[in-house]
Amino acid sequence: QSALTQPASVSGSPGQSITISCTGTSSDVGGYNYVSWYQQHPGKAPKLMIYEVSNRPSGVSNRFSGSKSGNTASLTISGLQAEDEADYYCSSYTSSSTWVFGGGTKLTVL
Amino acid sequence: QVQLQESGPGLVKPSQTLSLTCTVSGGSISSGSYYWSWIRQPAGKGLEWIGRIYTSGSTYYSPSLKSRVTISVDTSKNQFSLKLSSVTAADTAVYYCARVYPISTGRFDQWGQGTLVTVSS
Repeated sequence: QSALTQPASVSGSPGQSITISCTGTSSDVGGYNYVSWYQQHPGKAPKLMIYEVSNRPSGVSNRFSGSKSGNTASLTISGLQAEDEADYYCSSYTSSSTWVFGGGTKLTVL
Repeated sequence: QVQLQESGPGLVKPSQTLSLTCTVSGGSISSGSYYWSWIRQPAGKGLEWIGRIYTSGSTYYSPSLKSRVTISVDTSKNQFSLKLSSVTAADTAVYYCARVYPISTGRFDQWGQGTLVTVSS
């Protein structure tokens, strides 16, 4: 199984919105609504931000939202804040009963 | 709130077997609601799913690592473990244990802090 495809980096200014894409295949992203997103600050463990494409766990800001179209899922962060600067990873359940991650996207808040 | 904690040697020699344990506290590993998983991350790189285990002992592994990986569970100790054989420098990474909820198709909702394992002679 190949890793999901994410842009290596995105950037935005405080207050702006950014979107990170995550492209897979019909065997993972496109075949299931089991896409999740994780935020990882340097030296820290990943933190679940979005699950099942568009659901937020309790405690996660509503500035984070998710969506999916075909084989591509997206994470949107609105009202960018300095604390949002981190690496973001998507993940999907697959038809092989396994999980696959994206390569990660580094978000820079300018 | 459940907590997960990885433990094990930080240095492993090439060709040997890497062994790590994840201790679960604040909840029972025997709960039928979760899978328990291992994930790794080489320095400066992305996350890689290694495999998962259910309380019954059933496992699924990443196809790319399947021939070298064994994940087991010890419900009496509330722990699950990872063994990776014939390691090389490419297996140097931070290894995380994580909980999967709900079973079958869920997300990684709780993570350990991670432990760095270096493969070097």
